Amino acid sequence: DSGVTQTPKHLITATGQRVTLRCSPRSGDLSVYWYQQSLDQGLQFLIQYYNGEERAKGNILERFSAQQFPDLHSELNLSSLELGDSALYFCASSVGQGTNYGYTFGSGTRLTVV
Amino acid sequence: GNSVTQMEGPVTLSEEAFLTINCTYTATGYPSLFWYVQYPGEGLQLLLKATKADDKGSNKGFEATYRKETTSFHLEKGSVQVSDSAVYFCALSHLLGGYSTLTFGKGTMLLVSP
Repeated sequence: DSGVTQTPKHLITATGQRVTLRCSPRSGDLSVYWYQQSLDQGLQFLIQYYNGEERAKGNILERFSAQQFPDLHSELNLSSLELGDSALYFCASSVGQGTNYGYTFGSGTRLTVV
Repeated sequence: GNSVTQMEGPVTLSEEAFLTINCTYTATGYPSLFWYVQYPGEGLQLLLKATKADDKGSNKGFEATYRKETTSFHLEKGSVQVSDSAVYFCALSHLLGGYSTLTFGKGTMLLVSP
């Protein structure tokens, strides 16, 4: 157990729907990062939060949004889902904002859009 | 831009064989370099890192040397075990909007047979 908790582990939903993925960071970690992993694109950085504030945005679609709450858990919202959104979504956390702290990853949420 | 290129897998080895997984990068400035490992059904775990040129990162028998002149960070292990079977990701840190984030290669699958 890495200490980063992601729920649900699996999600199957239809095109056009909206889903929310949840991440609880490791205790003491203030930064949360979201990544999308697909076979063709590999690991793509989506967005980063630090202590409730958005810090960096990567290749995140406008249909996707995220937030980090005062208790530091984070949610990734995916709307108007398309078949191509099917992927593994990982959350990672770190104690600080710099990459040298090392990221701790959760075990991911596998999203299947049918 | 910033990018990481890894050798395509799968890399198939017998137990106790020597392992090399190639990684080269393109980056502005002086990034830190990382190797992460992903075991089946799990999230990524930090394996080792190097923060400046000529640094050698090492962990669990794996090692990699930060070579600025060849922009490389190849992963090596002298004698692999079946339990090393996993997907290995090379990554670099870079600034995005003033904050450092990780960019990953596409991953290299390693399969070790007894």
